[in-house]
Amino acid sequence: DAGITQSPRHKVTETGTPVTLRCHQTENHRYMYWYRQDPGHGLRLIHYSYGVKDTDKGEVSDGYSVSRSKTEDFLLTLESATSSQTSVYFCAIRRMNTEAFFGQGTRLTVV
Amino acid sequence: GESVGLHLPTLSVQEGDNSIINCAYSNSASDYFIWYKQESGKGPQFIIDIRSNMDKRQGQRVTVLLNKTVKHLSLQIAATQPGDSAVYFCASQIFGGGTSYGKLTFGQGTILTVHP
Repeated sequence: DAGITQSPRHKVTETGTPVTLRCHQTENHRYMYWYRQDPGHGLRLIHYSYGVKDTDKGEVSDGYSVSRSKTEDFLLTLESATSSQTSVYFCAIRRMNTEAFFGQGTRLTVV
Repeated sequence: GESVGLHLPTLSVQEGDNSIINCAYSNSASDYFIWYKQESGKGPQFIIDIRSNMDKRQGQRVTVLLNKTVKHLSLQIAATQPGDSAVYFCASQIFGGGTSYGKLTFGQGTILTVHP
């Protein structure tokens, strides 16, 4: 699967708790992305990174933060989880001028 | 802003038929397009891509057509098989430098069901 691993694969958490999702790649790709997927909305970009310590917001970034301290890891943090953040989260990696490769996804449920 | 959408949310075909999935995009500056296939419980998988300097690109049993005049692209699957049943997404982006590079925008998806 293009050397990309998401963890955890499933998580149930309570409203108001912090949650961190991890995306790990072994491809040394420069670009990394976090998307969320909800019924009727397709894939929506949360944040992306174009290098170590270089990140930018996507279309649905409110309530999320990211960090990339090394090339292989891109972390997505929900500072205080809400029920509206229940979703399936996908990480993707990419080289310049090519398609993006996706991880298997993390199913997050906020109760 | 950029938006990408699909005309048909569901498509049902018989095995062996050809399938056509359509997609419209809104930003005329989009110059790179990708089709993805997503099976249940999995992440999207790359099928084929096309750049804006092309009108057509063929892969194995798949063809993507791009009409920049009307901002429309389509995915054609020849001799559709039950294993092709999945959700298909189109995505677009605007190439170029700066921090906006690589922001892929996805459509909502089309569910393709292939009946034996």
